[in-house]
Amino acid sequence: NAGVTQTPKFQVLKTGQSMTLQCAQDMNHEYMSWYRQDPGMGLRLIHYSVGAGITDQGEVPNGYNVSRSTTEDFPLRLLSAAPSQTSVYFCASSSYTGTYNSPLHFGNGTRLTVT
Amino acid sequence: AQTVTQSQPEMSVQEAETVTLSCTYDTSESDYYLFWYKQPPSRQMILVIRQEAYKQQNATENRFSVNFQKAAKSFSLKISDSQLGDAAMYFCAMGRVRGGATNKLIFGTGTLLAVQP
Repeated sequence: NAGVTQTPKFQVLKTGQSMTLQCAQDMNHEYMSWYRQDPGMGLRLIHYSVGAGITDQGEVPNGYNVSRSTTEDFPLRLLSAAPSQTSVYFCASSSYTGTYNSPLHFGNGTRLTVT
Repeated sequence: AQTVTQSQPEMSVQEAETVTLSCTYDTSESDYYLFWYKQPPSRQMILVIRQEAYKQQNATENRFSVNFQKAAKSFSLKISDSQLGDAAMYFCAMGRVRGGATNKLIFGTGTLLAVQP
């Protein structure tokens, strides 16, 4: 059981380049989300999705796009990379039983550097 | 607005000793979860312990236990018999219990724990 898989693990971009961070989960979770982790700031929510075809913004959505065409996949797109987007990115998923949220399952993160 | 505050950026403990990491939070929700996550140098986010706000009994997981003070909005993590493998960044987080499949967590800024041999 792979859980939440993120690719790539590391990426270096030049300012203005675009790229997509991939996230896939094999647990049939309805909820998926993207966080960024910056020193001294903890993890902050970028975008989230409660199911295929449904996405919404989190706390820091500017400069990022998401889509959810399948239950399994939730890619994060950087449209025009900026040095301020240098960060570690985490994808996470969870299920909802109809009563309670399960704990978040995290991927292993992608370290992105924008020069 | 919901907030989670960790006022100790760094802590240190001797191997086999006990250490307590502090966390305070603010929310207008009546039903919520509180979490402690561990992040070792591998970067992986590992759930250490979870506490439902409606439960008065403090959660425990082996050497890890919490002191949950709902009225004071305090949620500290106690690590007993500290081991070298406990060295990591620890994050306190808060989330909704019944989110209708929305599971947005609010994280604190983290406490870096060093374990001295």
